[in-house]
Amino acid sequence: DQQVKQNSPSLSVQEGRISILNCDYTNSMFDYFLWYKKYPAEGPTFLISISSIKDKNEDGRFTVFLNKSAKHLSLHIVPSQPGDSAVYFCAATTQAAGNKLTFGGGTRVLVKP
Amino acid sequence: NAGVTQTPKFQVLKTGQSMTLQCAQDMNHEYMSWYRQDPGMGLRLIHYSVGAGITDQGEVPNGYNVSRSTTEDFPLRLLSAAPSQTSVYFCASSGDRVGEQYFGPGTRLTVT
Repeated sequence: DQQVKQNSPSLSVQEGRISILNCDYTNSMFDYFLWYKKYPAEGPTFLISISSIKDKNEDGRFTVFLNKSAKHLSLHIVPSQPGDSAVYFCAATTQAAGNKLTFGGGTRVLVKP
Repeated sequence: NAGVTQTPKFQVLKTGQSMTLQCAQDMNHEYMSWYRQDPGMGLRLIHYSVGAGITDQGEVPNGYNVSRSTTEDFPLRLLSAAPSQTSVYFCASSGDRVGEQYFGPGTRLTVT
């Protein structure tokens, strides 16, 4: 049973508009969440993270929101750019487990010029 | 800094063959790990190591062995390849920041 789920396998958005990627988790022990971005034929790269003591974290065009009661997090990209076209993975862990990440299945984002 | 390097980039094996996927990092990271990526399933942790001489199993360890004799290297061994091991394999290393891992470019393995 997948503990971290990304229910939208793909997303298409116009350049300049907002991209919203969603992620749900089932394990209430998770207290640290991350987003990774992956281009074809490359390894994933870390994008942004959030601790469960916060409900929002911003880094430039990227904002992650965490709703602990709903066990849901989302990544907002504003404005979307063609270079944002990639696969985005949500990941979760506990502060105790640290680097033992549980990943979602990924969402492929296509930003159209 | 080369970061995390993996060899080979591509490999085709026949069922029953063995091979070693190489991984090295030059960032002096204590934590290293191996993941496999399959369509729709994200990345799943195979094995990990918190330092030289220390390894442990992840979510999908069966059919794979690891060892960590140095801080830099973390090879993954397939003892008897099976078609179910066809996948893309990623090695990663991590420093002090929780969950933030540096990934290698991956090895695409096909077992026929």
